[in-house]
Amino acid sequence: DTGVSQNPRHKITKRGQNVTFRCDPISEHNRLYWYRQTLGQGPEFLTYFQNEAQLEKSRLLSDRFSAERPKGSFSTLEIQRTEQGDSAMYLCASSLGPMGELFFGEGSRLTVL
Amino acid sequence: DQQVKQNSPSLSVQEGRISILNCDYTNSMFDYFLWYKKYPAEGPTFLISISSIKDKNEDGRFTVFLNKSAKHLSLHIVPSQPGDSAVYFCAASAYPGNQFYFGTGTSLTVIP
Repeated sequence: DTGVSQNPRHKITKRGQNVTFRCDPISEHNRLYWYRQTLGQGPEFLTYFQNEAQLEKSRLLSDRFSAERPKGSFSTLEIQRTEQGDSAMYLCASSLGPMGELFFGEGSRLTVL
Repeated sequence: DQQVKQNSPSLSVQEGRISILNCDYTNSMFDYFLWYKKYPAEGPTFLISISSIKDKNEDGRFTVFLNKSAKHLSLHIVPSQPGDSAVYFCAASAYPGNQFYFGTGTSLTVIP
């Protein structure tokens, strides 16, 4: 399979717990993005990596959020001390270079109770 | 602030007719535009793109038009098919493309 893979697809957690999502991009893509989408909204940018370097973070990404991309391959997005407002679909996308189209994974849906 | 806007939350079209989805943007630095299609419980799927050096790009039944002076783009689907029923997002980026800004989407229903 050469598409973007995300897991878990769905995570239900209690407020205050930590959660981690993983994204495996298309292998030759050097850019990896995390977006968040809530109901009725378009995807909102969180952060992106060029290879292993995290080059930009949105102000939406509070200090409870951290993302890594060790060795420029897969990426993880961790949310600490989850809040109900964190409930959303977390989308990962990858691209080949800055002007390539984004290829999205199927998303990881977070529900915080 | 919403830099990319899709003012029509929904659109219904008869099968075989043309679907026109609209998108407006505010940032004059945007020079690369994408359209995505999204089914429920799936990630967005890339449809078609256009750069600011063009005013039209076609791919099969899909055509995107760009009017830079009006900061407006549109996606035409001809002929519309029931399988086209989905939410469509437009997205824009400014070179060197650190991030893409998405609109809020238009839900298209194609009626058989």
